Formats: sequence, structure tokens, C-alpha cells
Amino acid sequence: AQRVTQPEKLLSVFKGAPVELKCNYSYSGSPELFWYVQYSRQRLQLLLRHISRESIKGFTADLNKGETSFHLKKPFAQEEDSAMYYCALARSGANNLFFGTGTRLTVIP
Amino acid sequence: GAGVSQSPSNKVTEKGKDVELRCDPISGHTALYWYRQRLGQGLEFLIYFQGNSAPDKSGLPSDRFSAERTGESVSTLTIQRTQQEDSAVYLCASSLGWSEYNEQFFGPGTRLTVL
Repeated sequence: AQRVTQPEKLLSVFKGAPVELKCNYSYSGSPELFWYVQYSRQRLQLLLRHISRESIKGFTADLNKGETSFHLKKPFAQEEDSAMYYCALARSGANNLFFGTGTRLTVIP
Repeated sequence: GAGVSQSPSNKVTEKGKDVELRCDPISGHTALYWYRQRLGQGLEFLIYFQGNSAPDKSGLPSDRFSAERTGESVSTLTIQRTQQEDSAVYLCASSLGWSEYNEQFFGPGTRLTVL
């Protein structure tokens, strides 16, 4: 069975400080990993996906198969990064997503 | 163009009543998903439609839950004989295709409260 774990429900950092949101997964196959974000009063939306290897809004995430992790990182947090962040997994050949419980990030001015 | 829309935005019902939730996907999106988010928990997959293929119902929690989709358009999620544990935000999403690489676009959700 597949599982996504986000150990931190809440995370607060000061503006300009580095931020790392942790995500660990368990899945016997080769997963596709995503980070989704929900800003206040907005819909859940895709932030970035592993396959794209891109940096979005300064965020990056590296898939570490040895540690089964897909942590989200940003070197300098901004106030507009305050939001709820969800890590999600799709199994190979299927595209329904399995989500973690989310981490609420607060960036303190 | 318009994004995914859902109605109603809020629904309060009494235990034992049936409810119907509606989702309008983005035009041209062949895949449609329903998820549930109970308080303090992550999103939980319920059911997935892809074009005219048989839906993946593997996430439906009980036989009180059912969903239909007409072609590649509107979908309705029906919960019969609602229970208090059905209280949650029900999210609908759509994507262009079936691949695990396709981005899912989410609606605003329907907040269901069962008294």
C-alpha cells in the first residue's frame, strides 16, 4: 500500500530564512511525486512535480529514493509563501493522488 | 476559461438524509476525480472517471457512496443515508488525460455538515 507522511502540521519561519517542508512516502513501485499548495481563500493548486525538475516560486524538491523522501525547499522564505502545503503521490500507470495531511507554513515578517 | 466548479458550496443535512454533490470539470478534460477531506486529515481519494472507461471506485468508503458522470461533463456524487462521519469537504478535480503526469485542477469544494 502507498502512504504519504508529512510529519509537521505547523511550521513557522522568519522572512528571509530557509524553509524545508518534509515529505516521506512508502510505495513499492516507482512513484510520481507532487507538491500542491492552497493559499488563503484559494483553491488547491499544483506547485511542482518531480518529473518536471523545475523551480517554481523559488521552491525546489528532490526525490530521494534511498530515503523515500521528497522534501520541499526554498532558500529565502517570503511572506506570500504562507499557505497550506500538501505532498502527493501517484502510482505508476494510475493518476489518482494519495495526499499527506499537509503542513501549514507561516512566514513571519 | 472557467475552472472546475462545484455546487453547492455548503450543505447542511440531517443524519439519514441523502445528498447529491455536483462537479463541472474544465471543458475538454477527460479525467475527473472526487476526493474527501475530513477535519485534520489529508485528502482521501474516492473515485475517478476517465472518458468512457469504467470508473475506478476503489476509494469509495461504503456502498452508501456512489458517483456518476455523463460522458466527459458533469459528475454527481451521491451519499445515501448520511452519517456524521461523512462530514467533510468534498473536492472535485479534473485533468486533461489519464497519465500520472497530468496536473489535476481542483474545484473550490463542497463543505458537507451532517447533524
